[in-house]
Amino acid sequence: ETGVTQTPRHLVMGMTNKKSLKCEQHLGHNAMYWYKQSAKKPLELMFVYSLEERVENNSVPSRFSPECPNSSHLFLHLHTLQPEDSALYLCASSEAWGGGGYEQYFGPGTRLTVT
Amino acid sequence: GQNIDQPTEMTATEGAIVQINCTYQTSGFNGLFWYQQHAGEAPTFLSYNVLDGLEEKGRFSSFLSRSKGYSYLLLKELQMKDSASYLCAGLDSNYQLIWGAGTKLIIKP
Repeated sequence: ETGVTQTPRHLVMGMTNKKSLKCEQHLGHNAMYWYKQSAKKPLELMFVYSLEERVENNSVPSRFSPECPNSSHLFLHLHTLQPEDSALYLCASSEAWGGGGYEQYFGPGTRLTVT
Repeated sequence: GQNIDQPTEMTATEGAIVQINCTYQTSGFNGLFWYQQHAGEAPTFLSYNVLDGLEEKGRFSSFLSRSKGYSYLLLKELQMKDSASYLCAGLDSNYQLIWGAGTKLIIKP
């Protein structure tokens, strides 16, 4: 596997379910990100991890819970979601976090539908 | 507040040149990125500008004017495969990327 992988690619879940999204990067990067992409809206940064420590504290509902067990893996735990949470969830990684114009490499995304 | 503005959609002809503009307002500024996103795919990096001027990379060039809060992406010799959304993003003082909603570029034969 190369680059950034995400599983599952598609997920349909009810509002009472609990599920997790997984992201893995094979690039040796030190920073990882979760984004939400809704149709015709800007990418919304949800969480940033640098060297396995969370560095961004954006206003994300507590029904989304990130986990970064090591520098190669990132999870997004989902519970009691709302229909408006239906979107494409993108994971990305970069060599480092901060200044210097670090290019972000994106995974293919998980298309989430909440019913 | 922080904001990135870019046109929603543009149309151009195969073989022609197109310029996609982006204006930004960020809290502090640490550079501007352009990404390309084909329908149903992940965004991929195109360019990064932090100093004023034009950066050329093959058929694609990116320009930045920090004093005007303005950037553009120039695509030359357009090909059908250039049909995609082009995302402008500014890096603020907290190193957070502020994204535009993207410009959907339609290439016609």
